[in-house]
Amino acid sequence: GENVEQHPSTLSVQEGDSAVIKCTYSDSASNYFPWYKQELGKRPQLIIDIRSNVGEKKDQRIAVTLNKTAKHFSLHITETQPEDSAVYFCAESGGSNYKLTFGKGTLLTVNP
Amino acid sequence: NAGVTQTPKFQVLKTGQSMTLQCAQDMNHEYMSWYRQDPGMGLRLIHYSVGAGITDQGEVPNGYNVSRSTTEDFPLRLLSAAPSQTSVYFCASSYDRDSTDTQYFGPGTRLTVL
Repeated sequence: GENVEQHPSTLSVQEGDSAVIKCTYSDSASNYFPWYKQELGKRPQLIIDIRSNVGEKKDQRIAVTLNKTAKHFSLHITETQPEDSAVYFCAESGGSNYKLTFGKGTLLTVNP
Repeated sequence: NAGVTQTPKFQVLKTGQSMTLQCAQDMNHEYMSWYRQDPGMGLRLIHYSVGAGITDQGEVPNGYNVSRSTTEDFPLRLLSAAPSQTSVYFCASSYDRDSTDTQYFGPGTRLTVL
């Protein structure tokens, strides 16, 4: 995969609301789609991932959906909390499986 | 396990100087990689390795060299530092021999080139 577009670049929500971040990719051979969370001054950490043979995956308040036909995938966070405030990165690994391409990130702010 | 470690945490260089950023992991991971993170640019892959003795270029390899003589270590060398290389550098590793596995990141090295 060579190009991943991520939107929005910033997102501000009230505590308890839902947040949705979307990414599109161009390589039809892409088969792995992780999401990373990076708190201020910290390292990125994986929060959820999905592979191309699955359309949706959930882990408590976090879910990821994948539409391979449209080449886009989304991160959904429900019942947001202030500790969800961070930069979120989507990524995709293309047909070569050796390179992970990241989106430019979304700064999520959850207001108490 | 210490996980993925990086040294130094901070470094200031003058244009033209060379240096090596160290990365080590004690998880017996096969895949290791280097990223640079610049404001508004996300994480961009510099070089990666799928095992000892094997390295390849990522998205932005110019000005950087790597080697992988052991499974544990994956140093990144800046040959002649330029202000454009001012960035935060992250090393990452994963168990599988490719990028379709959880990447464990090191704490990062903040580099400033004057």
